[in-house]
Amino acid sequence: GAGVSQSPSNKVTEKGKDVELRCDPISGHTALYWYRQSLGQGLEFLIYFQGNSAPDKSGLPSDRFSAERTGGSVSTLTIQRTQQEDSAVYLCATGQYYNSPLHFGNGTRLTVT
Amino acid sequence: QKEVEQNSGPLSVPEGAIASLNCTYSDRGSQSFFWYRQYSGKSPELIMFIYSNGDKEDGRFTAQLNKASQYVSLLIRDSQPSDSATYLCAVNRQAGTALIFGKGTTLSVSS
Repeated sequence: GAGVSQSPSNKVTEKGKDVELRCDPISGHTALYWYRQSLGQGLEFLIYFQGNSAPDKSGLPSDRFSAERTGGSVSTLTIQRTQQEDSAVYLCATGQYYNSPLHFGNGTRLTVT
Repeated sequence: QKEVEQNSGPLSVPEGAIASLNCTYSDRGSQSFFWYRQYSGKSPELIMFIYSNGDKEDGRFTAQLNKASQYVSLLIRDSQPSDSATYLCAVNRQAGTALIFGKGTTLSVSS
């Protein structure tokens, strides 16, 4: 595709439910990042993929958060037993290789009620 | 010490002036440096990237890198009201590690 595609664009869920967020990278991009941005805050790193492997998952805030990437392409970020503090915009960004400029998707706005 | 530090601002400059945005980083082994612009409610978009010491110019934008001082800056010449946004500095530490963002500097350009 032309750019990084994220779905859904908005997600409202009840506390305690599981959610799955999807990222479709630009074709051929091997590096894929997930970030979280709370209102008025900076970008919080969550996890980085190079191909299908995740050399750096140090930013995942708890074991409720997990992510995978299959076929070196689509990635899903799963949040189990959502809490209100998980409410934020979740951004996916991809790059051609590990230190190349990143292109961001439009994000998924997650609201936990 | 935070990995990537920026003054949160706001930095206010009049239209036509030069805006200077600064960023320091803690990991001396860092290799790649990026500046992104983020308008309110939008995703970040790339402005400049720089890998080597010195200056890199692109139109009205100049990125400056000083690895000895662990300092990277962004100069915006002839600032326009449309440049009003939050500017994010990002640093890639070493191969196989994450790209870390600073919290951003808010720039306001008045007409």
